[in-house]
Amino acid sequence: GESVGLHLPTLSVQEGDNSIINCAYSNSASDYFIWYKQESGKGPQFIIDIRSNMDKRQGQRVTVLLNKTVKHLSLQIAATQPGDSAVYFCAENMDSGGSNYKLTFGKGTLLTVNP
Amino acid sequence: EPEVTQTPSHQVTQMGQEVILRCVPISNHLYFYWYRQILGQKVEFLVSFYNNEISEKSEIFDDQFSVERPDGSNFTLKIRSTKLEDSAMYFCASSKQGLGQPQHFGDGTRLSIL
Repeated sequence: GESVGLHLPTLSVQEGDNSIINCAYSNSASDYFIWYKQESGKGPQFIIDIRSNMDKRQGQRVTVLLNKTVKHLSLQIAATQPGDSAVYFCAENMDSGGSNYKLTFGKGTLLTVNP
Repeated sequence: EPEVTQTPSHQVTQMGQEVILRCVPISNHLYFYWYRQILGQKVEFLVSFYNNEISEKSEIFDDQFSVERPDGSNFTLKIRSTKLEDSAMYFCASSKQGLGQPQHFGDGTRLSIL
């Protein structure tokens, strides 16, 4: 069945360090993945996405890695800043050939950046 | 940068009453969605909407729920007879295309059922 989960519910890092947030998914048919950041009182904010035909994608200070063999997704944040403190969700989407565009979200990881 | 806007930010309603949550998606987006997030839990899909009809709905989206795009800019979620368990954050999202396109979310409406 569909399942997206996170290995670590909380992560605490020092400002300037790199952060790695992990996500496991169980649906091997999923072919599109998104990382979202959610700050308190706000909606999920798009960070970066990756399609299943890629294994790495880089943005500004962020990198997403996809390992389809073990169904694992990670978000790397370089030089983490206090403003990066938030809950991070991975979400997946599967092309079922119809109009299934829903995202299935994981539970989230709380990232705390200590100054 | 264009964004999805939702109103109101907080809605308090008596159980059994009808409530309408409003959203203005990003203007050139064609696909629209509603999700909800019960406090402390993950974001759950409710419904997707394209070309003036529902594309998909979850088990949560029962006969008490309906969606409408009354004009070219608004997208609404109606709950006909609210229950205590409907208390949650409701997020609207939109995307340019369906599959393989990021969905952009509003900041949500906190619905509190008394």
